Amino acid sequence: GAGVSQSPSNKVTEKGKDVELRCDPISGHTALYWYRQSLGQGLEFLIYFQGNSAPDKSGLPSDRFSAERTGGSVSTLTIQRTQQEDSAVYLCASSLLGRNQPQHFGDGTRLSIL
Amino acid sequence: LAKTTQPISMDSYEGQEVNITCSHNNIATNDYITWYQQFPSQGPRFIIQGYKTKVTNEVASLFIPADRKSSTLSLPRVSLSDTAVYYCLVGLNQAGTALIFGKGTTLSVSS
Repeated sequence: GAGVSQSPSNKVTEKGKDVELRCDPISGHTALYWYRQSLGQGLEFLIYFQGNSAPDKSGLPSDRFSAERTGGSVSTLTIQRTQQEDSAVYLCASSLLGRNQPQHFGDGTRLSIL
Repeated sequence: LAKTTQPISMDSYEGQEVNITCSHNNIATNDYITWYQQFPSQGPRFIIQGYKTKVTNEVASLFIPADRKSSTLSLPRVSLSDTAVYYCLVGLNQAGTALIFGKGTTLSVSS
């Protein structure tokens, strides 16, 4: 079946611009995660959605970052007034509900801020 | 929060068995041990998960001693395509929602 799909795969933009990154999770997965990975580093948790519950936004680095999940499916991560330090790969994952359910990742969006 | 420690890098040759050990001294009773594999320009991929003793699937084996304070991922007869970063994950973040990824172990397989 289809895996987690992210778009665009690459995004280059100028400092100060806003960007939107999209994630299509696996159908039926109620949990959705966003992570950020800088070059040569591990994954940094950003935000978690689970069904209709309030999202866990504890990993968002600043108020320039926000995310939505519409209809319990597609999610968008928005970065306003981008800065050069926002350059990274943004990864989305989805899973079934449950503490130890494996997460299925997309291949990410590589964001470059000029 | 459970903290994991694993080697930064390992080198191997094709056909050899590779064992990557992860330490997690403060693992909680309800924590599972999960390993992911990440190739360049791809998202991490779930490999194997276990709670205690030994788990085996078509890709790898996971050995967990009785005290569960460490675990060993075993890759039999590696090939060049096994060159990747391997992450050991135990427990969730403060909010109990997401996995905590460290820097992982970079495995390089040569011919």
